[in-house]
Amino acid sequence: QQQVKQSPQSLIVQKGGIPIINCAYENTAFDYFPWYQQFPGKGPALLIAIRPDVSEKKEGRFTISFNKSAKQFSLHIMDSQPGDSATYFCAASSGPGGTSYGKLTFGQGTILTVHP
Amino acid sequence: KAGVTQTPRYLIKTRGQQVTLSCSPISGHRSVSWYQQTPGQGLQFLFEYFSETQRNKGNFPGRFSGRQFSNSRSEMNVSTLELGDSALYLCASSLEIRGQGAAQYFGPGTRLLVL
Repeated sequence: QQQVKQSPQSLIVQKGGIPIINCAYENTAFDYFPWYQQFPGKGPALLIAIRPDVSEKKEGRFTISFNKSAKQFSLHIMDSQPGDSATYFCAASSGPGGTSYGKLTFGQGTILTVHP
Repeated sequence: KAGVTQTPRYLIKTRGQQVTLSCSPISGHRSVSWYQQTPGQGLQFLFEYFSETQRNKGNFPGRFSGRQFSNSRSEMNVSTLELGDSALYLCASSLEIRGQGAAQYFGPGTRLLVL
């Protein structure tokens, strides 16, 4: 019940394309859903996050779409660039009273390659 | 503000030894979480400390332990190292905002190799 399933495992797009990464969760108690970007040799960097009372959130070229009834959320990267080539992780946590937000459950990651 | 810092960045140990990793959170952050990252298992939650108390714990054996100091700095210890403990150990700190979740910010990690 704590799993977060992420797909695809890898993704190749051309510059300017819109890669889409999908995640599905089972635990209905999850109420915070961040996305992280990780470059080789670096720690994950927070990109954008959403809560289930919102169906979509945009920050720059990154958009999260959230479907509460389907228990799915996805990351879209607009006008992708070669510099976006990295591994992307979705995650989820729950926090009644804010006590569990420190425990993130991660998806398995998606390796994104953007060709020039 | 300075980001999350972790020391050491790289470590080589042999089986049976113990190791202590250190993490300094972003100034003002009181929550510190630790994760293990491996190619096979991905990112797995170890434990979280908040105001010097362990608040959450993942499914790792008792060989993995941690603590947090009054200045929010945290350490994790792994005793009796096994080959399978080779991994990138990541620390993350967060500033909780009631009702809004808690964004976690990661450090660069400590790469541990057990021989």
